[in-house]
Amino acid sequence: EPEVTQTPSHQVTQMGQEVILHCVPISNHLYFYWYRQILGQKVEFLVSFYNNEISEKSEIFDDQFSVERPDGSNFTLKIRSTKLEDSAMYFCASTGVWWANTGELFFGEGSRLTVL
Amino acid sequence: AQSVTQLDSHVSVSEGTPVLLRCNYSSSYSPSLFWYVQHPNKGLQLLLKYTSAATLVKGINGFEAEFKKSETSFHLTKPSAHMSDAAEYFCVVSDFGRSSNTGKLIFGQGTTLQVKP
Repeated sequence: EPEVTQTPSHQVTQMGQEVILHCVPISNHLYFYWYRQILGQKVEFLVSFYNNEISEKSEIFDDQFSVERPDGSNFTLKIRSTKLEDSAMYFCASTGVWWANTGELFFGEGSRLTVL
Repeated sequence: AQSVTQLDSHVSVSEGTPVLLRCNYSSSYSPSLFWYVQHPNKGLQLLLKYTSAATLVKGINGFEAEFKKSETSFHLTKPSAHMSDAAEYFCVVSDFGRSSNTGKLIFGQGTTLQVKP
């Protein structure tokens, strides 16, 4: 069964360092997302991406964040200069052809980011 | 604007007894609603989904949910809890259906289900 894969599963970094989280969405999907979950809190939307551009982003997704689909299969989230409050589990998700879709997203297992 | 409220942050049941996790939603158009489960240190797994077909939705592992438009509710139930059901459960609404939708999901705060032996 096709699945969304994320790497690394856990990354520890120093405050101020750049971090890139990697995702390989399901191969025929067209819509891609990043969500995050701070420990003990609810899952929050960060950004949606379609047709090689951001379609929507939340207030959390400030200038420190960027997304890229560099090669047609990977979908990356970059945090330029990490802060302590960026420590969270980051989930990548994807979904298929829009008009045939029910709104269901397929999630990866997450990348846990710890900022020291 | 859409929103989801999970009425209980923590639910504790005994193994073999029924489970009820409550969820109310707010949406200005016909919503798609989901329940996701998250086991400790794991990702998000879809339990079931409502997408304007049958109002009683059956999911995996014996879970069901009923969409009640008049009550704006989408409560999750299971007749008999199992120890392996202990996890965090999220009620989720999608913006699929609005004209400017981007497929964004809005998560509830989550309900921790504890199952006692």
